Order: sequence, then structure tokens, then C-alpha cells
Amino acid sequence: EADIYQTPRYLVIGTGKKITLECSQTMGHDKMYWYQQDPGMELHLIHYSYGVNSTEKGDLSSESTVSRIRTEHFPLTLESARPSHTSQYLCASSAQTGSNQPQHFGDGTRLSIL
Amino acid sequence: GQQVMQIPQYQHVQEGEDFTTYCNSSTTLSNIQWYKQRPGGHPVFLIQLVKSGEVKKQKRLTFQFGEAKKNSSLHITATQTTDVGTYFCAGPDGSQGNLIFGKGTKLSVKP
Repeated sequence: EADIYQTPRYLVIGTGKKITLECSQTMGHDKMYWYQQDPGMELHLIHYSYGVNSTEKGDLSSESTVSRIRTEHFPLTLESARPSHTSQYLCASSAQTGSNQPQHFGDGTRLSIL
Repeated sequence: GQQVMQIPQYQHVQEGEDFTTYCNSSTTLSNIQWYKQRPGGHPVFLIQLVKSGEVKKQKRLTFQFGEAKKNSSLHITATQTTDVGTYFCAGPDGSQGNLIFGKGTKLSVKP
């Protein structure tokens, strides 16, 4: 099983709070991703990174921000949470060498904003 | 923009029946990947197909990549309750090195 970890696993929090979702991987992968997925629905890419100090916006517009200060760490931050942010957030990583390497996903964070 | 379409959206089968999900791309793909997501879980990589007309097998699962490299299928023979989940296909976006996922086929298996 892939070594990619997300915390917290579940988070229920009030509107207006600042939230940081953690994602770490121990595989030395350069490329990392954040997806948003509503239950049973498709995956939407919201952020990705090619490596340290690289962050890019994905296909789905998101009010969240990301940072990549270390290779293994790719946290996602919501400055002011709203009910519309309620969803599951999945972090993934892949080796950058070669084209379209398989992605390894974390267990996800299920976020509920009250 | 590039799209990856997957059908059916849902499939309910009796245990022991076969199951197939189909994936179609609006453009030619350099490769296609398949993932499985169990209920409450995360997507797990199953396989990658690269060559035109390629067929790969994993036990009861058979994966095919079309000759034109624009479509793919996953066939499960004699489904079991452990096959329950959503199966996603994914193709490269062609520019950023990311994947475009299909909407997935949700498989339920009645014992």
C-alpha cells in the first residue's frame, strides 16, 4: 500500500474558520495533487505541484490554497470555511519521471462545514 | 476540452454475473489507467494500458485498450461481493501531465 497520509480523517467545523488539511508522502514523489470529490461522484483536480515551490491550479476553481515547501508535504488551506466547501478532499502523489505515472491516493479528509 | 466519458454510471448485478464498464475519449490517448474506489475508501490504481489493442488480465479482471487508443473497457468475470465499488478510467490531459478521470461506474453486487 502507498505511503501517503492525510489528516484529519474527518473534520466538522463552523463557518468562517481557517482550516488546514495535511498531506504527507514518504515515497519521494515529486508530483502531488489535491482532488475534491463529493460522495460517489467524480474526482475534480483543484491543485497540483511539480515539486518544491511549485503550485498550480487545477481544472476546478477552488477558494483553497496550497503550499509546497518540502517534497513530502503538500498542505491545503481554506482561509474562511463555508458550507459550500463541504466535501471529501483527496491528496495524491506520483513519480514525475516518465509520462503519467500512476497516482497513489491518501485516505482523504471528509470535511463538513456547519 | 478533452473529455473522458464512462458508461454505465451504475450497474447492479447478481453475484456470479459478469460486468463491463466502458471508457471513451474525445482524443487519442497515449495511455489509459484504471482505478477502483471501494465505498468509503480512496481510489486505488489497478492497471495502465499503453499499446494499441492491448489486453491485460488480473485474475477475473480483463482490461482492453482500443485499436485507435480512444476507448477502453474493464470486464469482470463472475462478480463477487468484493468487487463492489466505483471503477474509474483516467487518461492524460495531454499538457500538464495530469489525469482526466471519467465519472466512474458504480458497481453493486447482490449476494
